Amino acid sequence: AQTVTQSQPEMSVQEAETVTLSCTYDTSESDYYLFWYKQPPSRQMILVIRQEAYKQQNATENRFSVNFQKAAKSFSLKISDSQLGDAAMYFCAYRSGDGNKLVFGAGTILRVKS
Amino acid sequence: NAGVMQNPRHLVRRRGQEARLRCSPMKGHSHVYWYRQLPEEGLKFMVYLQKENIIDESGMPKERFSAEFPKEGPSILRIQQVVRGDSAAYFCASSASRVNTEAFFGQGTRLTVV
Repeated sequence: AQTVTQSQPEMSVQEAETVTLSCTYDTSESDYYLFWYKQPPSRQMILVIRQEAYKQQNATENRFSVNFQKAAKSFSLKISDSQLGDAAMYFCAYRSGDGNKLVFGAGTILRVKS
Repeated sequence: NAGVMQNPRHLVRRRGQEARLRCSPMKGHSHVYWYRQLPEEGLKFMVYLQKENIIDESGMPKERFSAEFPKEGPSILRIQQVVRGDSAAYFCASSASRVNTEAFFGQGTRLTVV
């Protein structure tokens, strides 16, 4: 069974600074997808970024980028120029290439200080 | 194009009562997934349904929980004889197909059992 581990229960960052959230996963599959979701206090799950395992290039979405290390099974999220609106719970998630369900990590609370 | 709609947003039930949670997928989506989020935890997969069929219920508790997605109308997650441990946020997500498409989440239903 696949597992996703987020070892940082909570992180803090100063506004305009950069922060990196860690995620590791365990799988024996070669075809899969990785995601970062943001969950603000409203509870809405918002997709931040997605990475296909077959792509070597790291995904980037504006101020959000990932460092995907397939051999190490590591998938960290970097948030540049942090904004107050980035404060939320962040979840790393895994999905099999031929599958349907997402496997989530326990989450990291990100606090942004002004 | 409305997103995934879940209702109610908040539901309070006394121990022993039944809880019915509804999910209307995005227009054109015929695949629905239910997840449960216990306090301070990540989302856990419960069940995956396609119109009129349960495809994967590997995350569903064996007793008291059931789900359906009829040909017409929303998907329903039903919890019979609720207990305090059922208190959680229940999320629904929908997708257009089984693989290689994004799943979009609703805002969740927070169930409180008193």
